[in-house]
Amino acid sequence: ELKVEQNPLFLSMQEGKNYTIYCNYSTTSDRLYWYRQDPGKSLESLFVLLSNGAVKQEGRLMASLDTKARLSTLHITAAVHDLSATYFCAVAPNQGGKLIFGQGTELSVKP
Amino acid sequence: GAVVSQHPSRVICKSGTSVKIECRSLDFQATTMFWYRQFPKQSLMLMATSNEGSKATYEQGVEKDKFLINHASLTLSTLTVTSAHPEDSSFYICSAPGLLNTEAFFGQGTRLTVV
Repeated sequence: ELKVEQNPLFLSMQEGKNYTIYCNYSTTSDRLYWYRQDPGKSLESLFVLLSNGAVKQEGRLMASLDTKARLSTLHITAAVHDLSATYFCAVAPNQGGKLIFGQGTELSVKP
Repeated sequence: GAVVSQHPSRVICKSGTSVKIECRSLDFQATTMFWYRQFPKQSLMLMATSNEGSKATYEQGVEKDKFLINHASLTLSTLTVTSAHPEDSSFYICSAPGLLNTEAFFGQGTRLTVV
């Protein structure tokens, strides 16, 4: 059974600081997703990582995937308050399209 | 990009009544729709997978007689929570895979409150 674990689960950051969220998964998968969720809202797609070594960047966020280590990271550079949200990674266990989600990381960026 | 439209966004119902949630794929055909449930401060858990023209597949522990799923067309999947109870209060989100299943398109979510 595929398990996806994120850490940390809670992250309080100061504006301008850097930090990394980690996502580990237990079985082989070649598709990993990062989402952002604001309170009361649905998911906003951030990144889709489809191969080992994939790295994608959008603004202050950068995601990478190491399929051999079964690890993905979401790196935050020079955090700003607008990045405060809950971030989820999700892994596809097979080709069918369903996703298994990590627990989520609640990020709070304070001035 | 592809859009999945989910309605209603919020619903409050009395205990014992049924509630229907709709998810429509607006500009593509969704032969499969995934239904997730999210309790407050928790992650998304897959409840069931609906397939157009066939019976839904439910995850372990999800009561198929309580959560009725219908996928009657290539653009519409519905989830009906029957005889709702307060413990069914949750955020329900549908998702359809994109081409080659490399993307997932999520609906806006439905906040169900059972009183």
